[in-house]
Amino acid sequence: QVQLVQSGAEVKKPGASVKVSCKASGYSFTSYGISWVRQAPGQGLEWMGWVSAYNGNTNYAQKVQGRVTMTTDTSTSTAYMELRSLRSDDTALYYCARHDTTSWWGAFLDYWGQGTLVTVSS
Amino acid sequence: EIVLTQSPDFQSVTAKEKVTITCRASQSIRNNLHWYQQKPDQSPKLLIRYASQSISGVPSRFSGSGSGTNFTLTINSLEAEDAASYYCHQSSSLPFTFGPGTKVDIK
Repeated sequence: QVQLVQSGAEVKKPGASVKVSCKASGYSFTSYGISWVRQAPGQGLEWMGWVSAYNGNTNYAQKVQGRVTMTTDTSTSTAYMELRSLRSDDTALYYCARHDTTSWWGAFLDYWGQGTLVTVSS
Repeated sequence: EIVLTQSPDFQSVTAKEKVTITCRASQSIRNNLHWYQQKPDQSPKLLIRYASQSISGVPSRFSGSGSGTNFTLTINSLEAEDAASYYCHQSSSLPFTFGPGTKVDIK
């Protein structure tokens, strides 16, 4: 069965970086894209960007553009999201979610990871 | 960026009632609109794809309709387990966007 298993919770100081992993299993990793979505405490869902596991293409939300890098390691079927220059308003639960296609247009998010809590605090 | 608005923000209903949630897009997104359910302390779960297509394993009381800019999620005969937040999501253009969510509470 399809599973996305994310790395554990992180506590970081302002200005630091965090790298969250999302290990996929149960499907052909390179045939689908991965989006990263975050949710601040008590708030709604915010799309951060996506990466194609097929060719590494990415697109990032303007809000995190310049601070985020999304990559994949096809040898381990793992997607990564690195966020730099962390601020207190980056405190959130970070989800990876699989696209139903290798690309983005028209894609829906059919499987989600369990979430990784990133806390930014001095 | 395509903005999605949802109404209502919150709805408190009794079991077996019908619930209707609307999602409006700031420009046409054809049928590239999907619905998710998020229960407390759980990851979001796909409910409806492409505005009206059902998802295997999702109860038939959940249905969607609409195209262009106006969409509706309907829950027929609400059950206690349907207490959750519901989000619409568009994938017609980048960046993807989500609606602000509708919280459904059971009276």
